[in-house]
Amino acid sequence: EDQVTQSPEALRLQEGESSSLNCSYTVSGLRGLFWYRQDPGKGPEFLFTLYSAGEEKEKERLKATLTKKESFLHITAPKPEDSATYLCAVTGGGNKLTFGTGTQLKVEL
Amino acid sequence: SAVISQKPSRDICQRGTSLTIQCQVDSQVTMMFWYRQQPGQSLTLIATANQGSEATYESGFVIDKFPISRPNLTFSTLTVSNMSPEDSSIYLCSVEERSYEQYFGPGTRLTVT
Repeated sequence: EDQVTQSPEALRLQEGESSSLNCSYTVSGLRGLFWYRQDPGKGPEFLFTLYSAGEEKEKERLKATLTKKESFLHITAPKPEDSATYLCAVTGGGNKLTFGTGTQLKVEL
Repeated sequence: SAVISQKPSRDICQRGTSLTIQCQVDSQVTMMFWYRQQPGQSLTLIATANQGSEATYESGFVIDKFPISRPNLTFSTLTVSNMSPEDSSIYLCSVEERSYEQYFGPGTRLTVT
């Protein structure tokens, strides 16, 4: 059974203070690892897909990386508008996504 | 990416009643999914809905409780039947666009009293 563990559960940063979120996974035959952003009361917003170890994707202040066991979401010089819950999900084939419980990020002025 | 809308956005229902949630997509898609997100928890897949075939339910979810319709390639409904307070959740539909990437609607927040 696919499993996803995210850490930390919550993270509080000062504006401009860079950090990383972790997503550890267990899956039989990784087909894709996905990062989403979810704001309160809204559906998850797609950020990145990573398909193989060593792959990296960037978008504005966010950079996602992938190894054979985990993925990191690096946030460089965050701003208050980056505050959200960040979700990681994997699929090992078929179309089922298995989600982690997320990291709640709060960026303060 | 596809634009997905859901109706209603929120509702408060009495126990024992049923609610049907609609999901509309602005383009034709083969695969649609229904998820539940209970308070403070992550997303759990309820079922996969393909047009022209019966929905496929995940372990712990049954058709009698969560009947799904998929009449065409842009629309699906999820009914939450005989509701109890434990059904209070956010219900989300999603579509798969390419290479397993799924895009989500805004969700329906359901409170059962």
